[in-house]
Amino acid sequence: EAQVTQNPRYLITVTGKKLTVTCSQNMNHEYMSWYRQDPGLGLRQIYYSMNVEVTDKGDVPEGYKVSRKEKRNFPLILESPSPNQTSLYFCASSISGANVLTFGAGSRLTVL
Amino acid sequence: DAKTTQPPSMDCAEGRAANLPCNHSTISGNEYVYWYRQIHSQGPQYIIHGLKNNETNEMASLIITEDRKSSTLILPHATLRDTAVYYCIVRGLYGGSQGNLIFGKGTKLSVKP
Repeated sequence: EAQVTQNPRYLITVTGKKLTVTCSQNMNHEYMSWYRQDPGLGLRQIYYSMNVEVTDKGDVPEGYKVSRKEKRNFPLILESPSPNQTSLYFCASSISGANVLTFGAGSRLTVL
Repeated sequence: DAKTTQPPSMDCAEGRAANLPCNHSTISGNEYVYWYRQIHSQGPQYIIHGLKNNETNEMASLIITEDRKSSTLILPHATLRDTAVYYCIVRGLYGGSQGNLIFGKGTKLSVKP
């Protein structure tokens, strides 16, 4: 089944403890991106990648890192999480630009 | 910078058509209009997209004005399961809007019995 898989789906962690949210797609998509969703603020893009080894900042990149070493994976790294990074995170992918996005199921992160 | 503007909320009676507007007055010639919806906190799902012609699929119809500055998503016979947040975005074939996508807050559609 064609899908975008995120892990973990739920995580409670503490301030400063590095964590990685993985995102993997099995559709050979070139484009991948990360979003966060907070009440009243809608979906906001964190980072995106047009292809392997090519990443760019979205609208809210502060406090996050990404890497794209393989086409199928696009992990989101929080080097030193803070409570304001408590949010619902979505990964999405598409064949390339101007194509339909496929979203993952989301990862709910709580930073205490 | 918001590339699209949508009303924050709308109501629709079950069985009636739901017409969701979107303003994208700064749209460029290479940018498509895409609609997605998000039910509860699930991942958003694709509905429909178009460039300048009206489009229809099994889920909805998309009407784009001739000047392409606005569009309307039409759910012809809304059901309770259509209650969701609907996002209108523009995405280009090239340039910044190819990768940097702005979803905004969308329109919360409530379908009532």
